[in-house]
Amino acid sequence: NAGVTQTPKFQVLKTGQSMTLQCAQDMNHEYMSWYRQDPGMGLRLIHYSVGAGITDQGEVPNGYNVSRSTTEDFPLRLLSAAPSQTSVYFCASSYSDRASEKLFFGSGTQLSVL
Amino acid sequence: GENVEQHPSTLSVQEGDSAVIKCTYSDSASNYFPWYKQELGKRPQLIIDIRSNVGEKKDQRIAVTLNKTAKHFSLHITETQPEDSAVYFCAAFSNDYKLSFGAGTTVTVRA
Repeated sequence: NAGVTQTPKFQVLKTGQSMTLQCAQDMNHEYMSWYRQDPGMGLRLIHYSVGAGITDQGEVPNGYNVSRSTTEDFPLRLLSAAPSQTSVYFCASSYSDRASEKLFFGSGTQLSVL
Repeated sequence: GENVEQHPSTLSVQEGDSAVIKCTYSDSASNYFPWYKQELGKRPQLIIDIRSNVGEKKDQRIAVTLNKTAKHFSLHITETQPEDSAVYFCAAFSNDYKLSFGAGTTVTVRA
């Protein structure tokens, strides 16, 4: 099993550009989520999904969109990048339909918005 | 929503000494409390977790305690070693499908 795979590992964008961060898991996990990590602020939940076709907002959803068309994939879209979105992004999944079990994290995407 | 506060933000200990990190949570309905360790440049990884029906849990040199009445929980690392140097995050899960993290504690073990 590859676990949770995130691409790309690094990305530089200009303000106003859009892009998609990819996340895929091969563990048949129902729960998937996106977090952003900023210095001194821990991990903040952006969006999450409890199964294919079901998504919901976390703490900091503004400026981001998600969809879950398959169990395996949970892409995160930045609609119009802003410098405030400079961060490290982690995708995480759990085998239950909620986050009350071990989360498996991807290796992260370091995003810089200029 | 849930609010998790974590203290201290940095902790420096001598190798062999103990380290204690404390967290408080706001939602009395929270029932799952994991701890994650993140080494520099790596992904967070679960090191121990506790559920609300248990007061204490141990796994070798690490232990977690939970006080539901006071709404706080703590991570204890005994006999610290250089490989324990990392950022540690506490988290709390309530019934809204969300896991809320504390801001993290940077632990440095001095040789």
